Amino acid sequence: QLHLQESGPGLLNPSETLSLSCTVSGASIRGTSHYWGWVRQPPGKGLEWIASIYYSGGTYYNPSLESRVTISVDTSKNQISLKLNSVTATDTAMYYCARQGDIFTGANYFFDSWGQGTLVTVSS
Amino acid sequence: ENVLTQSPGTLSLSPGERATLSCRASHSVFSNYLAWYQQKPGQAPRLLISDASTRTTGIPARFSGSGSGTDFTLTISRLEPEDFAVYYCQQYSDSPWTFGQGTTVEIK
Repeated sequence: QLHLQESGPGLLNPSETLSLSCTVSGASIRGTSHYWGWVRQPPGKGLEWIASIYYSGGTYYNPSLESRVTISVDTSKNQISLKLNSVTATDTAMYYCARQGDIFTGANYFFDSWGQGTLVTVSS
Repeated sequence: ENVLTQSPGTLSLSPGERATLSCRASHSVFSNYLAWYQQKPGQAPRLLISDASTRTTGIPARFSGSGSGTDFTLTISRLEPEDFAVYYCQQYSDSPWTFGQGTTVEIK
């Protein structure tokens, strides 16, 4: 049973760097045919894709955030990480880690498994 | 960027009724790479349908997806109490992958 668990700081100040981790259990990230991504959702609002990564390091970024975002993978820990720098109040959101579909069978970049999310609040 | 517009914003229906949700893309979605998700309060989204019409394993048959090009539809044939939620569409034909703003299906 695949399980994704996000962790983060909860609260941070404007201009700081947000660091998030997603620990995957029930499957190994290494050698799979899936991308792993981050999606966020401001309170009461819709979903926004941030970035995605393959176990070998291939990445996709949302251009709207690309200048501030770095996604990385640590296959030894079975973890995906996200860094977002220079945060402001508009970065306040629930941040979800999610697995994308099997890319060996098509361009399956939908999100088929999700973590429960970690709430990040940016406030002074 | 392919902008997805969902309509209506809110759908007020009774259990047993049929729900029809629309998702319109600003330009054509290649190979019908369009997914639908359901999100309930306090929960992560759940994938219902991919490739515009393929139900995920375990999703009831009352959920169906259709459409092509720029116009897509999610239909719930007979609403069950657990179906009242927010529904999002997402295109994955080209990056950046984008979501619609959501349709809330509420109990009338």
